[in-house]
Amino acid sequence: EAGVVQSPRYKIIEKKQPVAFWCNPISGHNTLYWYLQNLGQGPELLIRYENEEAVDDSQLPKDRFSAERLKGVDSTLKIQPAELGDSAVYLCASSLGQGYGGEAFFGQGTRLTVV
Amino acid sequence: QKEVEQNSGPLSVPEGAIASLNCTYSDRVSQSFFWYRQYSGKSPELIMSIYSNGDKEDGRFTAQLNKASQYVSLLIRDSQPSDSATYLCAVNKGGGNKLTFGTGTQLKVEL
Repeated sequence: EAGVVQSPRYKIIEKKQPVAFWCNPISGHNTLYWYLQNLGQGPELLIRYENEEAVDDSQLPKDRFSAERLKGVDSTLKIQPAELGDSAVYLCASSLGQGYGGEAFFGQGTRLTVV
Repeated sequence: QKEVEQNSGPLSVPEGAIASLNCTYSDRVSQSFFWYRQYSGKSPELIMSIYSNGDKEDGRFTAQLNKASQYVSLLIRDSQPSDSATYLCAVNKGGGNKLTFGTGTQLKVEL
């Protein structure tokens, strides 16, 4: 069974440019997470989806970040415009829906460098 | 107070020893607890899940949960150099799938 797939693996952009990350969760997983991880820190939740509904986006900087999960499967996270401080690893994870214990599995992540 | 707290380390243990990693959490309604291993430059990998008080063993790994003390730990027996990584504690609050992580403890297993 395929795991969580993210693309691209690496992205270098200039500040003020837009960037988008894509995630395909494990088949059948209704919950999808986007996390941000800075060096030496644990993952910090940006947004959580239950199917196509964003149920927790309180930590998403909505002035520049947006996300969508059309049809409750794939998801895209966008930053526009990017700032130097956005340089980090963006992780996507998925799990079975509520009531299944919450084990989450991560994709390989996208390392973003803003120059 | 952080929701999930871990000592950042590094924790150094000799090869073959027992490594003990600790985690405390603040929300008493938390129901599910996880340990992830993260190698440098890689994404977190789930290694243990625990849901009820007591011990859960899987190979060389043992997770321990004490909900009264809001404490969860991970023991690694017969530590190997390949166990050198950052170990992340994660907690899932009851009623949903909100998964919150600690900052991680760096483990170094020395020859």
